[in-house]
Amino acid sequence: QVQLQESGPGLVKPSETLSLTCTVSGGSMSSYYWSWIRQPPGKGLEWIGYIYYNGSTNYNPSLKSRVTISVDTSKNQFSLNLSSATAADTAVYYCARDRAFHVYWGQGSLVTVSS
Amino acid sequence: DIQMTQSPSTLSASVGDRVTISCRASQNIYTWLAWYQQKPGKAPNLLIYKASNLQSGVPSRFNGSGSGTEFTLTISSLQPDDFATYCCQQYNSFPITFGQGTRLEI
Repeated sequence: QVQLQESGPGLVKPSETLSLTCTVSGGSMSSYYWSWIRQPPGKGLEWIGYIYYNGSTNYNPSLKSRVTISVDTSKNQFSLNLSSATAADTAVYYCARDRAFHVYWGQGSLVTVSS
Repeated sequence: DIQMTQSPSTLSASVGDRVTISCRASQNIYTWLAWYQQKPGKAPNLLIYKASNLQSGVPSRFNGSGSGTEFTLTISSLQPDDFATYCCQQYNSFPITFGQGTRLEI
């Protein structure tokens, strides 16, 4: 059974970089796409982007200038960096497997952007 | 971007009721649509993919239908565990987009 677990700071200062890591267990990262999705408090889901196990990426144009997703298959991890964070980036961040619909999700990590 | 619009935003129902939630896409997405159930503090749980395919382990009282721009999720007989928020998601083209959610309440 594939399991995903997000980790990272729960509080980020405005203008700093929001960084999260997703650790994958119970299966290989090879041949799969790995996604990040977020949900502001009380709002709907927003797709951030995905990375293929070989490193190719696709980002939401609304965030593309600030987002970097990377993968380290040797550690079974992939990561999200979102630069120049603002209060609007406050959300629960989920990692998930696949790039279309998602069966496997992490439990979510709340990141608050505040000074 | 493809806009996904759900209706209603909130739906009040009782155990045993049959309920329908609608999702409209701003352009043709064929059948590239998924439905999720989400409970407070939890990740979304996939119910339906490709508009009408029931995900393994999901009770058969959940049914998805539609194509093109109009889609529906029907729950045939509400159970206590079904009171949650439901959202649709299109994966016809990037960026992937989600509906704003329908809260199903007692």
